[in-house]
Amino acid sequence: QKEVEQDPGPLSVPEGAIVSLNCTYSNSAFQYFMWYRQYSRKGPELLMYTYSSGNKEDGRFTAQVDKSSKYISLFIRDSQPSDSATYLCAMSAIDSGYALNFGKGTSLLVTP
Amino acid sequence: NAGVTQTPKFRILKIGQSMTLQCTQDMNHNYMYWYRQDPGMGLKLIYYSVGAGITDKGEVPNGYNVSRSTTEDFPLRLELAAPSQTSVYFCASSYSNSNNGYTFGSGTRLTVV
Repeated sequence: QKEVEQDPGPLSVPEGAIVSLNCTYSNSAFQYFMWYRQYSRKGPELLMYTYSSGNKEDGRFTAQVDKSSKYISLFIRDSQPSDSATYLCAMSAIDSGYALNFGKGTSLLVTP
Repeated sequence: NAGVTQTPKFRILKIGQSMTLQCTQDMNHNYMYWYRQDPGMGLKLIYYSVGAGITDKGEVPNGYNVSRSTTEDFPLRLELAAPSQTSVYFCASSYSNSNNGYTFGSGTRLTVV
């Protein structure tokens, strides 16, 4: 079992929909959770960062961590065509040092 | 503030040729990383460095070499290019450990024919 699992999609939604992206993980030591957005032919950019459990909101984006279920989510409200991208989850433990564990990414398409 | 800069953006190599992918960062980050990204396979760590003069292998180091003579620069060397090295290569950096995430460059798209 890979440490971080993420459904690759593709996920296609109409503009204005609420999008839910998810990752599961197996390592209970993970405490830092991130979401990266990657546009086609670009490098990943850090979108959301969460420490431990709970929710974090930034504009239309909400990151949610449920450590008891080893499950993290990214919600996008009022989705826009400009949100079309691949979303990668990533996580690390306090003693991970350099290691950031990535999911494979979910491809999202928001259609006008 | 440029962040992480990678050159070239695109390159086509013939089998057996060699090349160096350049990466430089201006954020005074200690940690630097090289990843390759293949369709459907996610990001795989090739090499990383925790500071000038210190490098170590990641998950898929075979066929590559790195050096870190300065804090800013972390070049990736491909010797004897093979078609299996066709990929998109990303350089990334972080201040210390991974807990605050990485800053990525825009990538180098390499094709070996």
